[in-house]
Amino acid sequence: NAGVTQTPKFRVLKTGQSMTLLCAQDMNHEYMYWYRQDPGMGLRLIHYSVGEGTTAKGEVPDGYNVSRLKKQNFLLGLESAAPSQTSVYFCASTGPPDRGHEQFFGPGTRLTVL
Amino acid sequence: GQNIDQPTEMTATEGAIVQINCTYQTSGFNGLFWYQQHAGEAPTFLSYNVLDGLEEKGRFSSFLSRSKGYSYLLLKELQMKDSASYLCAGMDSNYQLIWGAGTKLIIKP
Repeated sequence: NAGVTQTPKFRVLKTGQSMTLLCAQDMNHEYMYWYRQDPGMGLRLIHYSVGEGTTAKGEVPDGYNVSRLKKQNFLLGLESAAPSQTSVYFCASTGPPDRGHEQFFGPGTRLTVL
Repeated sequence: GQNIDQPTEMTATEGAIVQINCTYQTSGFNGLFWYQQHAGEAPTFLSYNVLDGLEEKGRFSSFLSRSKGYSYLLLKELQMKDSASYLCAGMDSNYQLIWGAGTKLIIKP
């Protein structure tokens, strides 16, 4: 099993450009999450999904959109990138709360917006 | 509001014991997690406490006191590979994790 994978691993964008980050998991997990991690701050939840076809806003959703068309994939989109979106982005997945709470993380995407 | 507090950085000696403290405030409570994160890597799960008391797992133990909103992670027989950041996270009533900023642990020979 590959676990949770993320594409791409690194990306440099110019202000105003758009991009999509892809997260895939092969553990048949229902719940998937997108976080960003910035120096000196905890992981902050951007958006999450509790199942195929459903998404919800987290703590810092502005400037991002998501889609969960297939259970195994969770996409994070930046429509018009800004320097404030320079960060490391982590995707995570977990089963429903009654089946354990451990979140499994992907390797991260390091994004720089110039 | 929801908040997780933990020290920014700690230093310990190889072979020693270190305790990393965490205080939490969440809207509802569904457990307290500890994750380890090596520089440039993803967080990996260490422990989960939902009831008061100590959970031991090899060299690592985690303690929870719900009445005090307090947890600690205890690392014994420290090894150089334990140099990492340790993230404390509380799970709120919506099963969302509220994360602390992490404690960077530096191990010296």
